Amino acid sequence: QSALTQPASVSGSPGQAITISCTGTSSDVGGYDFVSWYQQHPGKAPKLMIYEVTNRPSGISFRISGSKSGNTASLTISGLQAEDEADYYCSSYTRSTTLVFGTGTKVTVL
Amino acid sequence: QVQLQESGPGLVKPSETLSLTCTVSSGPINGYYWYWIRQPAGKGLEYIGRIFPSGNSNYKPSPESRVTVSVDRSKNLFSLKMNSVTAADTAVYYCALGDMIRLDYWGQGALVTVSS
Repeated sequence: QSALTQPASVSGSPGQAITISCTGTSSDVGGYDFVSWYQQHPGKAPKLMIYEVTNRPSGISFRISGSKSGNTASLTISGLQAEDEADYYCSSYTRSTTLVFGTGTKVTVL
Repeated sequence: QVQLQESGPGLVKPSETLSLTCTVSSGPINGYYWYWIRQPAGKGLEYIGRIFPSGNSNYKPSPESRVTVSVDRSKNLFSLKMNSVTAADTAVYYCALGDMIRLDYWGQGALVTVSS
């Protein structure tokens, strides 16, 4: 069971939009609309940002959005702010009924 | 608001058993899935295993054979045991609650170091 593939880093200036990709296979990302995204600040526990590809939990900014096409899911952060600087991880339900996480992406606000 | 707290030894010797407990407080816990996740220093998150509301469990294929997760609903706690540990098992271990496809609540994490 291999980790989902994410870019190691993505950066953007304040106010810009960035997109993080998460690539899997037909056995995970492509096979189910069960992709979640988590934000993790240094030394902190992860925090759920998106579930079921596009849904935001209560309290999550409208600047955060998710999508999916085929075996690749994406997280978009619009109106980038300093507080968005963190690591981001995708996860997906898998055919073997487990979960698999992505390799993680470090977002830097320039 | 549900709160979780991991507890257990921070240092385990190679070949011995790692044991962690997660205590859940401040909220209803029925119907949740109970998760264990780990994160080696500077690396990504890794799914270890989970317990379903039914009491069944499943694990990542490796290190599935070394891992057991269990739950004591009467005490609102669940546990992780991993035997025959090596230095590669050194990580921050998180417990979490959620549903089948997402993790809504996380503990703060517990660092476990495997070293003689």
